[in-house]
Amino acid sequence: EAGVAQSPRYKIIEKRQSVAFWCNPISGHATLYWYQQILGQGPKLLIQFQNNGVVDDSQLPKDRFSAERLKGVDSTLKIQPAKLEDSAVYLCASSVQQGANTGELFFGEGSRLTVL
Amino acid sequence: AQKITQTQPGMFVQEKEAVTLDCTYDTSDQSYGLFWYKQPSSGEMIFLIYQGSYDEQNATEGRYSLNFQKARKSANLVISASQLGDSAMYFCAMREGPRGSTLGRLYFGRGTQLTVWP
Repeated sequence: EAGVAQSPRYKIIEKRQSVAFWCNPISGHATLYWYQQILGQGPKLLIQFQNNGVVDDSQLPKDRFSAERLKGVDSTLKIQPAKLEDSAVYLCASSVQQGANTGELFFGEGSRLTVL
Repeated sequence: AQKITQTQPGMFVQEKEAVTLDCTYDTSDQSYGLFWYKQPSSGEMIFLIYQGSYDEQNATEGRYSLNFQKARKSANLVISASQLGDSAMYFCAMREGPRGSTLGRLYFGRGTQLTVWP
């Protein structure tokens, strides 16, 4: 079974530029998450989708961040314009609600963003 | 208030020894789940073990076990017979809601960096 795919793995941009990250979840996983992990901290949820609907985007800085999950499969996270404090690893994860399973999240390798 | 607190920024253990990584949580919900993830230097988060709030037994998965003390709101991870490959960042996380539910937000702690030395 293929895991969560993310691209690009690394991106370096200057402040005020824009960037987009792509995520393809595990096939059949209805729930997709974008997390931001700043160096030395735990991941923080930015946005959570259930199929193509937003479940939780309360911590998404909506003046500069946007995300979509058209057709309920893959997703794109965009930052425009980027700030220095956006330097972080952006982790995509997916999960499936199935019987008595734990509902654990399966993570991709992350996209590391450096804003200069 | 922090939902998840991990008070040990770093831990060191000798190969083949056991180590306990601490985690306390804060919730007023009766139904919740606790997770531990491992993050090696490569960056990917790897799921290790899960404990549901209504589970009567402490969870175990191979060399990993979860010491769940509900009244104290603690969910410590115990790694037995440490291996060099266990060196990584370890995160405790919690989601409020019934077992298997994917709708609730998963809250993470700040992590504990474990170093296993020969």
